[in-house]
Amino acid sequence: DTGVSQNPRHKITKRGQNVTFRCDPISEHNRLYWYRQTLGQGPEFLTYFQNEAQLEKSRLLSDRFSAERPKGSFSTLEIQRTEQGDSAMYLCASSLGLAGAGEQYFGPGTRLTVT
Amino acid sequence: AQTVTQSQPEMSVQEAETVTLSCTYDTSESDYYLFWYKQPPSRQMILVIRQEAYKQQNATENRFSVNFQKAAKSFSLKISDSQLGDAAMYFCAYRGNTGTASKLTFGTGTRLQVTL
Repeated sequence: DTGVSQNPRHKITKRGQNVTFRCDPISEHNRLYWYRQTLGQGPEFLTYFQNEAQLEKSRLLSDRFSAERPKGSFSTLEIQRTEQGDSAMYLCASSLGLAGAGEQYFGPGTRLTVT
Repeated sequence: AQTVTQSQPEMSVQEAETVTLSCTYDTSESDYYLFWYKQPPSRQMILVIRQEAYKQQNATENRFSVNFQKAAKSFSLKISDSQLGDAAMYFCAYRGNTGTASKLTFGTGTRLQVTL
């Protein structure tokens, strides 16, 4: 069990550029979640997948955001035409369905800075 | 919509002492889960303890225990025999257990300092 991994760990981009983050969940986990965490706040839910199906999207996920999970394995989160307000830590988590309490295991996050 | 409130932005405890972090939540659901997560500085979030709403018995995990008051919608975390490694942000989180409910709703966190 190597845990949830995220790449890159840090990303600095200029306003208006596109960025893409990757998340590799724990191998047997079928659910994958994306959260956004701004300074001094708790994580806020963005979207989640069960296998390859995207089952829920938050209102926070504007049209500039898109997430995919091809083949139900890793996931990517793309932000188009980045804005300074997109600066945040983007967290990925995975879980084994809703078995038990469906504990979510978090990755280390990708810190995005938009200049 | 469910909300989670942590009213203590910062707390401090001396090593070996006991500290309690507060959390309240609002929901109309009867079946749900509550969690405490720990986020050390520049490190990933890890689960500390969980509580199923249908269980009356308070959860415990070694030095960590909760006081779950369902009627009051209160879920506090007690850390006994505090250690330097307990210093971190602590987040209270809620997850419903109906339909497709899956996402976690977090509070704003409590920063715990542990002093010698």
